[in-house]
Formats: sequence, structure tokens, C-alpha cells
Amino acid sequence: GEDVEQSLFLSVREGDSSVINCTYTDSSSTYLYWYKQEPGAGLQLLTYIFSNMDMKQDQRLTVLLNKKDKHLSLRIADTQTGDSAIYFCAESRYNFNKFYFGSGTKLNVKP
Amino acid sequence: EAQVTQNPRYLITVTGKKLTVTCSQNMNHEYMSWYRQDPGLGLRQIYYSMNVEVTDKGDVPEGYKVSRKEKRNFPLILESPSPNQTSLYFCASSSTSGNTGELFFGEGSRLTVL
Repeated sequence: GEDVEQSLFLSVREGDSSVINCTYTDSSSTYLYWYKQEPGAGLQLLTYIFSNMDMKQDQRLTVLLNKKDKHLSLRIADTQTGDSAIYFCAESRYNFNKFYFGSGTKLNVKP
Repeated sequence: EAQVTQNPRYLITVTGKKLTVTCSQNMNHEYMSWYRQDPGLGLRQIYYSMNVEVTDKGDVPEGYKVSRKEKRNFPLILESPSPNQTSLYFCASSSTSGNTGELFFGEGSRLTVL
């Protein structure tokens, strides 16, 4: 919603890297997030990045932020079948009062 | 265990029959909010609350009401449900101190309005 956009599907083989992309429109966003949704469950925060950072690494996850192009990406190294889920990009605005989510990218990991 | 609990998890109802979806959190969070999830549209914010007795509209508030009489509870009320409110609903909460804005989500309530 509100112009946070993601591709809908991504399919990779187990062991490969996955890259999920997101674009947003509000340059005043303070934090950007990646949430993971497994079937039948709510969303869980995977990682986040503050808007003055370019990159954040957390174990198998790497987040890249290009503020000029308003582009956010999530790279999952050595993707496992347990990583199969829907991944949502989100941004916060207005001092964390409002959050805007993309439509979600469904990641399918083939054995 | 820290959690956000929604009830009911599944509900089928008919047009015009008032219903309430409850949401409760045990983390003493100030901020709570409701979202609906629809295919291809992601999550859209319905209402949010910064604290007790403080609520405000999100991006899709039409047809919904909320109240925040206690810190832990934030019910979503559909006074006269219509079929276009058939959706998957999520409640979420967040702490406003030391903030990164991390949202903690309930497991969702799937509502069908016939």
C-alpha cells in the first residue's frame, strides 16, 4: 500500500542466494523493515535498517538500502527450504504512527 | 510468553450482523494497530492507538470502529459488516520507548462476510 512495491514471486534452489527487492516512495521514512510470514501465522520481524545506513548484515541476511533510488533489498545466503515464506517490505512514517507494507514476495525454495 | 492474542481466529458471518474481533497483548506496549491483508495488496492499516483513549484512523478505516479503554486491549468492531470486509485481519503492538518501531503481530483472524 501507499506505493511500497515488491515483486510477487521468487523461486530459488536450496543453497542458492535469494534476493528480494522493494521500492518505496517516502524519502522521510526513518526505518525500513523486512517481515517474514509463514503459512497460517502472523508476521515476524526479520531485520530492519535505519534510513542513514547503506547496509546491514545479520548472519545469512544482508539488507541494502539505496536512498537515492528509494530501493531496499534483502539477500538471503544459502537459502534453505525453511526460508519458504512470504516476505514483506515495510516503512514507518510519522514517528512510527503509520506503517506501509508492500504486497509481499512469496519465496519458494526448491530442494 | 510475550504475545498478541486475537479472537476469533476464524469467523463466518452474514451481512449486517455486528461483530467484534478482540486483541490483547501482554507486553505493556503503548502502541497497537489493526491491519487487513488482501491478496496483491499487502497489509493496510485500519486504525492505530498510541495509548489508552488515543486512537486515530489509518488508511482504510471505513466500516470499522476501535476503542482503547485499557492498555492491553484493542478490539476491532464491525458495526454492519459487508462482503467487501471479507479479509484476513491482524492486530499488532509496539513499544514506543527506545524505538525501532518493531511490530509484534497476532496470528490473524480470517473473516468471511456472506
